[in-house]
Amino acid sequence: RKEVEQDPGPFNVPEGATVAFNCTYSNSASQSFFWYRQDCRKEPKLLMSVYSSGNEDGRFTAQLNRASQYISLLIRDSKLSDSATYLCVVNLNNDMRFGAGTRLTVKP
Amino acid sequence: GAGVSQSPSNKVTEKGKDVELRCDPISGHTALYWYRQSLGQGLEFLIYFQGNSAPDKSGLPSDRFSAERTGGSVSTLTIQRTQQEDSAVYLCASSSSLGNTDTQYFGPGTRLTVL
Repeated sequence: RKEVEQDPGPFNVPEGATVAFNCTYSNSASQSFFWYRQDCRKEPKLLMSVYSSGNEDGRFTAQLNRASQYISLLIRDSKLSDSATYLCVVNLNNDMRFGAGTRLTVKP
Repeated sequence: GAGVSQSPSNKVTEKGKDVELRCDPISGHTALYWYRQSLGQGLEFLIYFQGNSAPDKSGLPSDRFSAERTGGSVSTLTIQRTQQEDSAVYLCASSSSLGNTDTQYFGPGTRLTVL
């Protein structure tokens, strides 16, 4: 089993749609969690950290379920500029493990 | 301020040659990470440094790979006797400390192609 698993997609959605990505991780001792965004042929950039209580940043909402070892990212009112690959990242003792990413394409 | 920089941006080399990749982290960042990303794949952790020391080298894929960091700043990743499977984008990231919640800032990467 991979340490961090994501549905690779692609997710093709129209502008304005709501889309959700899921991620599962295998090590229950994992300490911190992040979503990164990576544009084609660019480096990853932090989108948001994920907290147990759930957190929201504008149109983006992240949730963590430690019992199920599951992380989610919800994007509301999607924009063309949201098209990218979204990487789930799990940190255990500063060993950062990245998922393979979920590709999102938002279409007009 | 300046972000993480990496050089060269692209490197094409012949199988069997050695290559050296450089990372210049954000000034003052004590933690430095190396990853590689093969085409269409996620990031593979290679090594991290706290200051000049590397507590965890377990991610290095073979003994042909080595990394060092001097002066707590610039780091070099060296690949000896390159193989075609080493072709990937090598990404460096830095963060202000080894805190588990600290944001990692990535450089633009070095695209390595081994012919």
